[in-house]
Amino acid sequence: DIQLTQSPSFLSASVGDRVTITCRASQGISSYLAWYQQKPGKAPKFLIYAASTLQSGVPSRFSGSGSGTEFALTISSLQPEDFATYYCQQLNGYPLTFGGGTKVEIK
Amino acid sequence: EVQLVESGGGLVQPGGSLRLSCAVSGFTFSDHYMDWVRQAPGKGLEWVGRTRNKANSYTTEYAASVKGRFTVSRDDSKNSLYLQMNSLKTEDTAVYYCARVATVVTRGCDYWGQGTLVTVSS
Repeated sequence: DIQLTQSPSFLSASVGDRVTITCRASQGISSYLAWYQQKPGKAPKFLIYAASTLQSGVPSRFSGSGSGTEFALTISSLQPEDFATYYCQQLNGYPLTFGGGTKVEIK
Repeated sequence: EVQLVESGGGLVQPGGSLRLSCAVSGFTFSDHYMDWVRQAPGKGLEWVGRTRNKANSYTTEYAASVKGRFTVSRDDSKNSLYLQMNSLKTEDTAVYYCARVATVVTRGCDYWGQGTLVTVSS
């Protein structure tokens, strides 16, 4: 199975900060990686697919990068509504797997 | 508007069975693969299983943790997805989400239901 390791697990930041979350795959997954945002008590929201393509309607302050085994999600200027937990997911092969999540909290 | 609504969650004893349903609307259900994803209390997301569409013979895939105990199925005539869960264990306690797989399958799940809670406890 392909393991995804997200870092950090927890991140404390202020409004306006630039934030980067990394996701490392245990083997190469090309660009078959998605990112999701989840707020407490809510379903995940689809943010980015194919490692770097923004889903329609997602603000441009979000960006994704990487391929192979190293990926990143960057929020260029953190907004109050961005405080949430973020997950990466690999879609290269079964079983599909998620990273452990990164919780972004207000400093 | 795309909508997915899960139902069927509840309290069940270890070793018991439960069937979850997911009613969808707002898109051509028969065209899409569909996933189940779960989240144990206070934990991260775990992919559970997938059903492909009719064009791909409704074949299924499962996580190792549920293979042989859970079955994903669908009824395109009813725009509904199902998850039959047998031999339930306490570690199956979670919120279960149904999710629509994007048209390009390798993109991920673009729409999710609100989830239904399954509690396995004696």
